[in-house]
Amino acid sequence: EPEVTQTPSHQVTQMGQEVILRCVPISNHLYFYWYRQILGQKVEFLVSFYNNEISEKSEIFDDQFSVERPDGSNFTLKIRSTKLEDSAMYFCASSVTGDGYTFGSGTRLTVV
Amino acid sequence: AQSVTQLDSQVPVFEEAPVELRCNYSSSVSVYLFWYVQYPNQGLQLLLKYLSGSTLVKGINGFEAEFNKSQTSFHLRKPSVHISDTAEYFCAVTRGYTGRRALTFGSGTRLQVQP
Repeated sequence: EPEVTQTPSHQVTQMGQEVILRCVPISNHLYFYWYRQILGQKVEFLVSFYNNEISEKSEIFDDQFSVERPDGSNFTLKIRSTKLEDSAMYFCASSVTGDGYTFGSGTRLTVV
Repeated sequence: AQSVTQLDSQVPVFEEAPVELRCNYSSSVSVYLFWYVQYPNQGLQLLLKYLSGSTLVKGINGFEAEFNKSQTSFHLRKPSVHISDTAEYFCAVTRGYTGRRALTFGSGTRLQVQP
């Protein structure tokens, strides 16, 4: 069964550093998403991406965040200057339409 | 905007007993509804979804859910649980048809199946 692949599975970074989280969505999917889950809290929407541009973003997705689909297969989330409160599990997801999402297994980001 | 309320943060149940995990949603427009399961240290796996049609939806691992529009609920049920069903379960909603596709999640229900 096709999978959404995320790398790395765990990343530790120092506060103020830039991080890039990588995702390979399912090949025929058109919509791409990032979500995050702070430990013990609910899963929160960050951003959706369609047709090579952001289609929707939440209030969490401020200027510190950016997304890119650099080569037609990868989908990346960049955090420019990480803060302690960015520590969370970040999930990538993709879908053909809006009626079913496949999630990756997540990247656990720890900011120290 | 949509919102989701999962009324129980934890549900302990004995193996082979039935279980119901409750989910209520709020929306001014038609919605699609989903249940996801998260096993420890893993990602989110789709259990089932309601888009339209029959209000009783069957999913993987013997789970089913019933969409009740008048009560704005989408409760998840399983007639007989196994130890392996121990996990966190998330109800989620998105705007139906076109428009906002982002999922809004509930806070989750931890199902603890005891022998």
